[in-house]
Amino acid sequence: GQQVMQIPQYQHVQEGEDFTTYCNSSTTLSNIQWYKQRPGGHPVFLIQLVKSGEVKKQKRLTFQFGEAKKNSSLHITATQTTDVGTYFCAGRPFTGTASKLTFGTGTRLQVTL
Amino acid sequence: DAGVIQSPRHEVTEMGQEVTLRCKPISGHDYLFWYRQTMMRGLELLIYFNNNVPIDDSGMPEDRFSAKMPNASFSTLKIQPSEPRDSAVYFCASSSPSTSGGTEAFFGQGTRLTVV
Repeated sequence: GQQVMQIPQYQHVQEGEDFTTYCNSSTTLSNIQWYKQRPGGHPVFLIQLVKSGEVKKQKRLTFQFGEAKKNSSLHITATQTTDVGTYFCAGRPFTGTASKLTFGTGTRLQVTL
Repeated sequence: DAGVIQSPRHEVTEMGQEVTLRCKPISGHDYLFWYRQTMMRGLELLIYFNNNVPIDDSGMPEDRFSAKMPNASFSTLKIQPSEPRDSAVYFCASSSPSTSGGTEAFFGQGTRLTVV
């Protein structure tokens, strides 16, 4: 079945440093979404990418969808303590059950002053 | 809208007991997903429904797990009998369809299940 892996599993940065998490799918994706889960909370939608090579920005966050639509990345510039949480990518397959949303393994970000 | 509503928020039960988790999706959403989250296995998709019909239950771990959606505003996930390894946070999420194959999933607060 479809597998979605993320690296790294965990990253600890000093406030102001940059952070990147990478997402890789075993199958081609129709689209990919990114979610953030604060400690003790539930996943909250950040963004959806649909087109091959697409790049979207939200303030300090930059999201990219790979040309082959099998990988994606999230980059945070100048992290803040409010960025703490686990970041998940979630992909929908290109074929078959198009609405099946499979989450990646997640990257936990810790930011300290 | 109050968002996706799950109950109970916390459940502690003894091994062998039946557990029923409940979910009310956002009104108008056609898709409903049940996920289980553990440290070891992350966020696993257990089953999802479209228009109250189960579409893919390949993530349901075993026959002890069952899910129903009797109408558009209610779904249950039942574990019978429960085992300690079922301890996890169970999330329900709903979404509405779009031309791009699906929109964002809105998650409930989750049910933290502990089986002792």
